[in-house]
Parts: sequence; C-alpha cells; structure tokens
Amino acid sequence: SQQGEEDPQALSIQEGENATMNCSYKTSINNLQWYRQNSGRGLVHLILIRSNEREKHSGRLRVTLDTSKKSSSLLITASRAADTASYFCAPGGELTFGKGITLSVRP
Amino acid sequence: DAGVIQSPRHEVTEMGQEVTLRCKPISGHNSLFWYRQTMMRGLELLIYFNNNVPIDDSGMPEDRFSAKMPNASFSTLKIQPSEPRDSAVYFCASSFSSPGGYGYTFGSGTRLTVV
Repeated sequence: SQQGEEDPQALSIQEGENATMNCSYKTSINNLQWYRQNSGRGLVHLILIRSNEREKHSGRLRVTLDTSKKSSSLLITASRAADTASYFCAPGGELTFGKGITLSVRP
Repeated sequence: DAGVIQSPRHEVTEMGQEVTLRCKPISGHNSLFWYRQTMMRGLELLIYFNNNVPIDDSGMPEDRFSAKMPNASFSTLKIQPSEPRDSAVYFCASSFSSPGGYGYTFGSGTRLTVV
C-alpha cells in the first residue's frame, strides 16, 4: 500500500476564492480518492477518480488525475467557510493517509 | 442505512485496564478498516479485514492490540493492557471492495483517553 503526499500542508483563503490542493503518489493505482475531515469528526468520502479518468466533477469539486505524473489535484470553487477542514488523498484501494491539507476559509 | 456505527463515542480508562472498541459496518460492505489518529502521527491504518478475514495487521502497534471480526456485521479492537500513549481517536471504516474500487465510509470515531 502507499500513501499520498498532499501539498500544501496548510492553505488559508478568503471565502469565495478557489482552493487548489495537490496529491502525489509513487506507484500505479486503479483509483484515487479524496476525503474531508471536519474537526472532531470522521473522514467523509468526497470523490473517487479511476485511473482511466482524467477529470471528474461533483458540485463545486473538481478532481484531476495525471497518471503519467502520478499526481492529482482537488479544486474547490467558490469556497465557503463550511469548507474549512482537513483534506486527504488516498491513492489505490488500500487506504493509508498522509498528513493531509488543512484548509481555512475566512468569512 | 445508519452508516458505520462505533461505540463508545468516548472512553476514559486507567492505565492497565482493558479497552474494547466496537464497530458495526454498513450492511453489505465486505471490507473493514481500523485507524488511529493522533496529532503527532496523523491517521494510521492499524488493520483491515476482507470478508471477515484479517488481511494486513502490520499497522497494529504491538501485541497489546488485537482485532476480531466474528461476522460481517461486527468488529472489535481490544487494547490490553492500555497505556497513556494509546490515547487517540480510533476510527472504523467499511467499504465494498471491487476491482474498480468504491469510497469508504467512516464512523464517527471513539475518543480514547488513558490516564
């Protein structure tokens, strides 16, 4: 199993701005997942992108996957204060997590 | 479905005592995972089961930790004897595994404090 490396470690933006978070991994995968964790809560699955997909949307979320670069990005458009949370990527089917990205959205 | 159910939500125990954490996965899911989360170490995978069979327990810190899954609807994580360094939030997650993969559903966690 492998864990993703998220970047940046922390991100602070103003409400309404877009937030871009990146994830890199080392070995080939079948899919990659992004999760959100609000303070004191369990992780919530946001989106899964398969290795044969390049881009996927879900509401204000857009995920891209570049298997040649072994990287993925999560874009949150028109951010809201409620998006404040930690975000984790999970490459592959066995979920091991990195440190995550702490996103703070200022009202 | 009520989601992944963990109990108790909070547990405070004295060092040396046995602690049992419980998890009920989502009905129909065939994979179950136990995680531990601390500020220092982040989110660590302890063990995972597939079809009730432990597949990888390499993340279990030491022999004081044990996990069982007697049936598809119940799993336990036991710490005996507990130590202050075991204080953490323990999460259970479940999924339906398939070649394409599906998202995992996490429980709300058990916050364990060992004093």
